[in-house]
Amino acid sequence: GAGVSQSPRYKVAKRGQDVALRCDPISGHVSLFWYQQALGQGPEFLTYFQNEAQLDKSGLPSDRFFAERPEGSVSTLKIQRTQQEDSAVYLCASSLALVGASGNTIYFGEGSWLTVV
Amino acid sequence: RKEVEQDPGPFNVPEGATVAFNCTYSNSASQSFFWYRQDCRKEPKLLMSVYSSGNEDGRFTAQLNRASQYISLLIRDSKLSDSATYLCVVRTGGGADGLTFGKGTHLIIQP
Repeated sequence: GAGVSQSPRYKVAKRGQDVALRCDPISGHVSLFWYQQALGQGPEFLTYFQNEAQLDKSGLPSDRFFAERPEGSVSTLKIQRTQQEDSAVYLCASSLALVGASGNTIYFGEGSWLTVV
Repeated sequence: RKEVEQDPGPFNVPEGATVAFNCTYSNSASQSFFWYRQDCRKEPKLLMSVYSSGNEDGRFTAQLNRASQYISLLIRDSKLSDSATYLCVVRTGGGADGLTFGKGTHLIIQP
């Protein structure tokens, strides 16, 4: 498709279960971002990739969160031993140019809605 | 103190009215500013960038006041379809594009 695609759209996980969220960025986009958006909040930065390199993971809330983009295209966000506080929408976004480039528009996917019960 | 602050609302406004939101940011080194729109259960989408000289796009006008560190969005002749959450976004130029989002202002246009 033409946009950023995420799957699954909705996931219900039992506490302690591992989950994997997939992101297909727009073809050719160099930069890829993961954000977490809790109910009633704005998106919070988790991590950033430039091609396959993870250049910033300062937003990952704990070592239970892991992201990869091995071939510089599709990315996976993995959450191990999920907790109730992990319930949120996980948004993936991509942009064509490198970080900081002028006019660099970021496009978001529709998100993966995670509910931990 | 949160880096980007917005009044969460909701703002209930009759159709056809003019509505304005403000947003304040704390990092004086912030470089770029944006308004994003987010519909219920949808992803954020760029509404407009905000330039120092102010800019207009149809019924929407954005203003930036660097001295006071606030950004505004004005919507004229509001439509029912303008109902959404409006996110103030600031780019600080740091790693990962340095995008920091406000919590959003919820706007409801009433017929």
